[in-house]
Amino acid sequence: GEDVEQSLFLSVREGDSSVINCTYTDSSSTYLYWYKQEPGAGLQLLTYIFSNMDMKQDQRLTVLLNKKDKHLSLRIADTQTGDSAIYFCAEQTGANNLFFGTGTRLTVIP
Amino acid sequence: DVKVTQSSRYLVKRTGEKVFLECVQDMDHENMFWYRQDPGLGLRLIYFSYDVKMKEKGDIPEGYSVSREKKERFSLILESASTNQTSMYLCASAEAGGSTDTQYFGPGTRLTVL
Repeated sequence: GEDVEQSLFLSVREGDSSVINCTYTDSSSTYLYWYKQEPGAGLQLLTYIFSNMDMKQDQRLTVLLNKKDKHLSLRIADTQTGDSAIYFCAEQTGANNLFFGTGTRLTVIP
Repeated sequence: DVKVTQSSRYLVKRTGEKVFLECVQDMDHENMFWYRQDPGLGLRLIYFSYDVKMKEKGDIPEGYSVSREKKERFSLILESASTNQTSMYLCASAEAGGSTDTQYFGPGTRLTVL
């Protein structure tokens, strides 16, 4: 079955860039998503990228997709303490098939 | 803005109790989903529904059932709660055939089964 993998933890200093990585196995994915989950809250959609794109930028967020290596990354520029959260990547392979990674807990050190 | 609400943020139940988790969305979405979230395992799909009275099993349906009597409401039912069902439960909805079928999530219900 589909497998979406992420590192469990990442720590960065405030003001630095954060890069959260994700690998997936299904080459038929249509969209790839990044969700953010703050403590005690549900998942908030941050951004998504269509599988035929290789980059998408949205303010401080940059998504890079390497389809050949099945590698997705989320870069957060000028990371702030409010960015501390768990970040989930998710791969969509059909209308109702969304597969999530384990989540990466980002800790921003002041 | 899409709004997905869940009936409770926190719930404590005893083993063997019947538990209802309710989810309501206000965007007339056809598709609704129930996930559970456990540390180190990410989100796992329990059930989803693509129309009223329609349901499909996800990856881990055992011990759960669902009900979709109205388009805006999707209920997750634990017929006889067990301690291994202690988890965070997340509901989501999505428009069928939309540009991305993006799923929008509710705030989650943290269920503890004693």
